[in-house]
Amino acid sequence: AQSVTQPDIHITVSEGASLELRCNYSYGATPYLFWYVQSPGQGLQLLLKYFSGDTLVQGIKGFEAEFKRSQSSFNLRKPSVHWSDAAEYFCAVGSFSGNTPLVFGKGTRLSVIA
Amino acid sequence: DTAVSQTPKYLVTQMGNDKSIKCEQNLGHDTMYWYKQDSKKFLKIMFSYNNKELIINETVPNRFSPKSPDKAHLNLHINSLELGDSAVYFCASFKGGYGYTFGSGTRLTVV
Repeated sequence: AQSVTQPDIHITVSEGASLELRCNYSYGATPYLFWYVQSPGQGLQLLLKYFSGDTLVQGIKGFEAEFKRSQSSFNLRKPSVHWSDAAEYFCAVGSFSGNTPLVFGKGTRLSVIA
Repeated sequence: DTAVSQTPKYLVTQMGNDKSIKCEQNLGHDTMYWYKQDSKKFLKIMFSYNNKELIINETVPNRFSPKSPDKAHLNLHINSLELGDSAVYFCASFKGGYGYTFGSGTRLTVV
């Protein structure tokens, strides 16, 4: 069965510092990978997604993620964090055909300090 | 136009009541889902429909009954609401090549 592990429940970074959120997945076929962000009281916003091609994916808001098949990882990065990036971040894995639903990690809460 | 719309956005109701949440997508997607996000923010699949047919039914109490009158709609009816049903419910749709699109969520509070 597919699964996603986000090992960090809560991360605090200083504004302007770099960020890396970790994600490991387990999936029996070629994974379709996603990162979503959720601000308090809001819905899910898609940051980026990966299925094939260049393993470094660019997303919105200056985020990028790198797919590493050998490590079953899809870590999210940002070179310089802004206070508005404080939110909950979810990694998810699904299938390109949609015959399996998206499975989410438990999320990482990002706090940003001045 | 909103791609996946859910109504209502907020729902406060008493224990024991029956309520419905509606979801509509105008994307022409074939597959639709209901997810539940609990108080710890964990998102869990509840149901999956493809072309109006139920294809996934996770371990969800029988009090929850999805209904898909057509490909564009997937409603969720909940009978005899309990305190533990309080959560945010997300509807989503999927089409191959386009990915998954989520609604903005319905925050259900049972008092």
